[in-house]
Amino acid sequence: DARVTQTPRHKVTEMGQEVTMRCQPILGHNTVFWYRQTMMQGLELLAYFRNRAPLDDSGMPKDRFSAEMPDATLATLKIQPSEPRDSAVYFCASGFGAEAFFGQGTRLTVV
Amino acid sequence: KQEVTQIPAALSVPEGENLVLNCSFTDSAIYNLQWFRQDPGKGLTSLLLIQSSQREQTSGRLNASLDKSSGRSTLYIAASQPGDSATYLCAVTGGDGGATNKLIFGTGTLLAVQP
Repeated sequence: DARVTQTPRHKVTEMGQEVTMRCQPILGHNTVFWYRQTMMQGLELLAYFRNRAPLDDSGMPKDRFSAEMPDATLATLKIQPSEPRDSAVYFCASGFGAEAFFGQGTRLTVV
Repeated sequence: KQEVTQIPAALSVPEGENLVLNCSFTDSAIYNLQWFRQDPGKGLTSLLLIQSSQREQTSGRLNASLDKSSGRSTLYIAASQPGDSATYLCAVTGGDGGATNKLIFGTGTLLAVQP
C-alpha cells in the first residue's frame, strides 16, 4: 500500500529551536509539495519540487524556512529559528502527473 | 492570481439525502481539478481527479463535474451516510500563469450527516 510518510507526526518545541520535518514520497513520484494548514489561512503552498529540483518556494519565508530533497526518497522542511506563529499542520504530498497524494501531516506546536 | 472558493462553508443534512458541494475558480485556464476529503486531525484523501479534457468523474456514490468555461465544479454525494461527515476540499492546478502542477486549494466545506 503506497503512501506518503511524514515524520514526526507531532512536534512540540520551544521558540527559537530548530525543527526538521521529513517526508518520504511514494516511490516513483517525481513531484513533491510542502503545504501548511492553519484555521485562518487554510492550505498554503510552501515549496514544490520536480525531479528533486525546487520549482517554486515563493510561499515560504526564506529567512527561517528551507526545503530540500537530498535524494528521491527524502524531502525535508526545516525551520530555524521557530516562532509561535509557525504552529500549524505541515503536509507533504507527492505525485506523478495530475494527481497528488498527501501524507498524514506533522502537527507542529511552538511554545 | 487563481482563487478558489467553496460554498457552502458548512452543511448539515440528515442521513440518506443527496447533496451538492460547490467549487468555483477565477481563472478558467486550469489543467486539472481534484476533490479531497479530510477527516479531523488527518491528512487529505484524494476522492476524484478531473483532467482538463474531461467533464466529470464518478466513484461509487460520488460524482464530480467540471465546467471550465464558467469556472465551476460540483461534487455530488448520493444517499449520504454519517461516515461521509468530513471537510471536503477542491483544488485546481494551473491558471497561475506557469506550467506547474501546484495545487491551489479552496477553503473547504464542512459536512455533517446526521444519523
